[in-house]
Amino acid sequence: GQQLNQSPQSMFIQEGEDVSMNCTSSSIFNTWLWYKQDPGEGPVLLIALYKAGELTSNGRLTAQFGITRKDSFLNISASIPSDVGIYFCAGRRNNKIIFGKGTRLHILP
Amino acid sequence: DGGITQSPKYLFRKEGQNVTLSCEQNLNHDAMYWYRQDPGQGLRLIYYSQIVNDFQKGDIAEGYSVSREKKESFPLTVTSAQKNPTAFYLCASSMEGTQPQHFGDGTRLSIL
Repeated sequence: GQQLNQSPQSMFIQEGEDVSMNCTSSSIFNTWLWYKQDPGEGPVLLIALYKAGELTSNGRLTAQFGITRKDSFLNISASIPSDVGIYFCAGRRNNKIIFGKGTRLHILP
Repeated sequence: DGGITQSPKYLFRKEGQNVTLSCEQNLNHDAMYWYRQDPGQGLRLIYYSQIVNDFQKGDIAEGYSVSREKKESFPLTVTSAQKNPTAFYLCASSMEGTQPQHFGDGTRLSIL
């Protein structure tokens, strides 16, 4: 079946550092989505990408839809403590959405 | 405020019992979904419904059942046939199948 490979699995960074994570697949997707999940809560949509090559920003977050339509990345600039959480990518193809296993972001004091 | 409400937040089940998780949305969304989340795993689709009175099995439907009698409501029943029900359950909805999904805050189910 279709799978998304999300990396890294976890990250430990210092406050103020930039963060980069990505999702890759052997399948082509029509839409890429990025969500953030805080402990004990549901995922919240951060950015939605609909077109190959599309680069979209939401505050300090920037995400891109890969040209091959098989990958996407999310960057967070100047990280702050509230960025801690799990970030999920999701790809949509033929009305089905596949989720990555998440990247857990830790910020060191 | 519009949103998706899941209840209860925490639920405990005895062996052999069925339990029902509630999901209500006032976003006027046509499509609704149930996911299961286990530690270190992505979200796995249990059931989804694109329209009232219709629903489809997802990837891990065995041991679960749903109904969609109203547009706003999509309850999930975890039956005694589900042998490993302990998990975090997430409900989501979208305007229609091609639009991004928005999630509720989840129900954590544990076995006594």
